[in-house]
Amino acid sequence: KQEVTQIPAALSVPEGENLVLNCSFTDSAIYNLQWFRQDPGKGLTSLLLIQSSQREQTSGRLNASLDKSSGRSTLYIAASQPGDSATYLCAVRSSNYQLIWGAGTKLIIKP
Amino acid sequence: DAMVIQNPRYQVTQFGKPVTLSCSQTLNHNVMYWYQQKSSQAPKLLFHYYDKDFNNEADTPDNFQSRRPNTSFCFLDIRSPGLGDAAMYLCATSRDVGSGRGLQETQYFGPGTRLLVL
Repeated sequence: KQEVTQIPAALSVPEGENLVLNCSFTDSAIYNLQWFRQDPGKGLTSLLLIQSSQREQTSGRLNASLDKSSGRSTLYIAASQPGDSATYLCAVRSSNYQLIWGAGTKLIIKP
Repeated sequence: DAMVIQNPRYQVTQFGKPVTLSCSQTLNHNVMYWYQQKSSQAPKLLFHYYDKDFNNEADTPDNFQSRRPNTSFCFLDIRSPGLGDAAMYLCATSRDVGSGRGLQETQYFGPGTRLLVL
């Protein structure tokens, strides 16, 4: 059974720092992995989608990597800003439609 | 802009009183999903539609039903809401580009409907 873990559960850093959020999964047989952002009381916004055949994806200040063999993904945020404060969730697709979710990392960027 | 719309954004209902949540999309995606998310927890998939084919998750309570009358709309019906059903309900869509073999594009989420049960 696929399990997804995100560490740390919460992270607080000063503005301007580069940071890394971690996601690990137990079964390497995945179709893809997605990173989402959720602001308090809001829906989810997809940030990056990495197909199983890919190693990384980049969008602006965000870079996500995928290492299937070790069951890990990282989300790198460069030059963090207060507007990046949110909960970041990773989700793995191991079957046709079911996404297996991590519990999220709550990120606070201090001005 | 193409998007996923959920109505209402906030819904208050009484214990046991049926309630219907609405989702519409302008993305013309063939797959639609309903998730339940409780505070500080990950979203939990309730069911999804692949076109008109309904797929219920094994642990979704019978109290929850869904309808998809056309490509654009999907409804979540809670027949007899209990206090434990208070949560954020998220609708999402995606486009299946690989004949249902997991080669889907990303899921797009609506803003959610927060349900309060009194």
